[in-house]
Amino acid sequence: EAGVAQSPRYKIIEKRQSVAFWCNPISGHATLYWYQQILGQGPKLLIQFQNNGVVDDSQLPKDRFSAERLKGVDSTLKIQPAKLEDSAVYLCASSLRTLVNTGELFFGEGSRLTVL
Amino acid sequence: TQLLEQSPQFLSIQEGENLTVYCNSSSVFSSLQWYRQEPGEGPVLLVTVVTGGEVKKLKRLTFQFGDARKDSSLHITAAQPGDTGLYLCAGAGTGGFKTIFGAGTRLFVKA
Repeated sequence: EAGVAQSPRYKIIEKRQSVAFWCNPISGHATLYWYQQILGQGPKLLIQFQNNGVVDDSQLPKDRFSAERLKGVDSTLKIQPAKLEDSAVYLCASSLRTLVNTGELFFGEGSRLTVL
Repeated sequence: TQLLEQSPQFLSIQEGENLTVYCNSSSVFSSLQWYRQEPGEGPVLLVTVVTGGEVKKLKRLTFQFGDARKDSSLHITAAQPGDTGLYLCAGAGTGGFKTIFGAGTRLFVKA
């Protein structure tokens, strides 16, 4: 079974430029997450989709970050304009959710962003 | 806002030693998961605990969920260099879908 695919693996941009990350979840997984992981810290939830609807985006800096999940499958996360503090690994995860909310999160390898 | 606090943040021990990592919160979680992350990779699930007081064992790893479902611990017996990594606890909120992570415990086991 194919895992969660993310691209690109690495991206270096200058501040004020824009960048987009792509994620393809495991087939059949209704829930998709984007996390930001700054070096030395745990993952911070940015946005969570259930199919193509947003469940939680309370931690997403909406003035510069946007995300969409087309047709409830692939997702893109965009940053425009980027700031130095956006340098981090952006992790995409997917899960099969149940009513008791114990679904395992399967992560991709992440996209490492460096903003100069 | 739900928060998960992990301790210690860093741990460097000799091969063969035992260790315990703690994950605490003031919030109640419907379930708690432990993940292990290696450099350049995403976190990988080790275990999920659901019931208050639950204890699960995975070879040399023992996981416990607090009676009130607010805290958890991970105990490793006779640590090996292969146990080196970042250990993350993650809590799923009651009645909702959000899964939040602690800051992690970075473990280094010296041969």
